[in-house]
Amino acid sequence: GAGVSQSPSNKVTEKGKDVELRCDPISGHTALYWYRQSLGQGLEFLIYFQGNSAPDKSGLPSDRFSAERTGGSVSTLTIQRTQQEDSAVYLCASSLMGGLSTDTQYFGPGTRLTVL
Amino acid sequence: QQQVKQSPQSLIVQKGGISIINCAYENTAFDYFPWYQQFPGKGPALLIAIRPDVSEKKEGRFTISFNKSAKQFSLHIMDSQPGDSATYFCAASIDGGGTSYGKLTFGQGTILTVHP
Repeated sequence: GAGVSQSPSNKVTEKGKDVELRCDPISGHTALYWYRQSLGQGLEFLIYFQGNSAPDKSGLPSDRFSAERTGGSVSTLTIQRTQQEDSAVYLCASSLMGGLSTDTQYFGPGTRLTVL
Repeated sequence: QQQVKQSPQSLIVQKGGISIINCAYENTAFDYFPWYQQFPGKGPALLIAIRPDVSEKKEGRFTISFNKSAKQFSLHIMDSQPGDSATYFCAASIDGGGTSYGKLTFGQGTILTVHP
């Protein structure tokens, strides 16, 4: 079946502009995660959605970052007033339940964001 | 605060050799330790994982060794092949508590190159 898909694959924007990144999780997966992968760094957790529960936003680096998940499926990560330090690969992952750490997370290919 | 430290940053191995990547963690509440493999342009994919109640887990040519008292774990790739060339990430998570079920804390990654 189809895996996690993300769009766009690449995004170049100017400093100060807003960007939206989209994630389509695997059908039937109730848990969805966003991570950020910066050059030379590991993956950094951003936000977690589980069903209809309030999301865990503890990893969002500033109030310029927000995310929503509509209908328990597609998710959009929005970065307002982008800064050069926001340049990174943004990865989305989904898992079947999200209630256990052993619930395998399946990653999409990521969106490479470049802020000029 | 970097809770999972990974080394080396890069590793070059000859075909047929053994690749060893090490990780150390700080948070004793971590109870699940997966390794992810990432090829260029792709998202990370789960390779192998271990729980702290065992000291070793082997799947084919891949073995995780776990030392709970030292808070360290490592990935061993036996008979390394050029197709194993990728970036490897160790990670850790906590099973249970709040809304952060399954949230992965990643190491910085190791770029493995296996020469033919």
